[in-house]
Amino acid sequence: QVQLQESGPGLVKPSGTLSLTCAVSGGSISSSSDWWSWVRQPPGKGLEWIGEIHHGGNTKYNPSLKSRVTISVDKSKNQFSLNLSSVTAADTAVYYCARRSITSPYGMDVWGQGTTVTVSS
Amino acid sequence: QSVLTQPPSVSGAPGQRVTISCTGSSSNIGAGYDAHWYQQLPGTAPKLLIYGNTNRPSGVPDRFSGSKSGTSASLAITGLQAEDEADYYCQSFDSSLSGYVFGGGTKLTVL
Repeated sequence: QVQLQESGPGLVKPSGTLSLTCAVSGGSISSSSDWWSWVRQPPGKGLEWIGEIHHGGNTKYNPSLKSRVTISVDKSKNQFSLNLSSVTAADTAVYYCARRSITSPYGMDVWGQGTTVTVSS
Repeated sequence: QSVLTQPPSVSGAPGQRVTISCTGSSSNIGAGYDAHWYQQLPGTAPKLLIYGNTNRPSGVPDRFSGSKSGTSASLAITGLQAEDEADYYCQSFDSSLSGYVFGGGTKLTVL
């Protein structure tokens, strides 16, 4: 079964760029029925959808983050990545990667364990 | 504010039934987009609980059920157990935002 694992720096300086990678195992990132998503959760707060990508390169982004977000896919490594630029303390959160399937059970049915990113100097 | 509105908290005694509402609008649930529900146990990643308004993924007990009416969706939990204590989130697609939205989350306390 598909498993996801996030990786990346746990500390990023203000005004810098947050970069995370999500490794996909047990399945192919090139599956036509799957979109690959990023979701974040600030400390003590709710979930916020960041965006998603299909293996063909199509992307969708949260309008509130669109100017700062880039999601990309690396099919050769079976992984996808998140870049968030010009970060501030408000970007401190647990970042999750997830699979959104367009076949049953659709919805975000597989999640990574999450990785904590703190924005601080 | 979240595009999807949930009560911040609900509670119930073991064995009781509770419901959690998720109120949207004509650009998301009311437009016919599906509602999904996630359970997040303390310190863990969210887990898909209900998809497509009413469907349970394999392994989810039938104590959990979902419904949808108009611009709202609901999650019902019967036979409350201590292990159900968690945060619950609804999610849908919003056409005006061209993206996915989550409710603000509801904390379920089992008394």
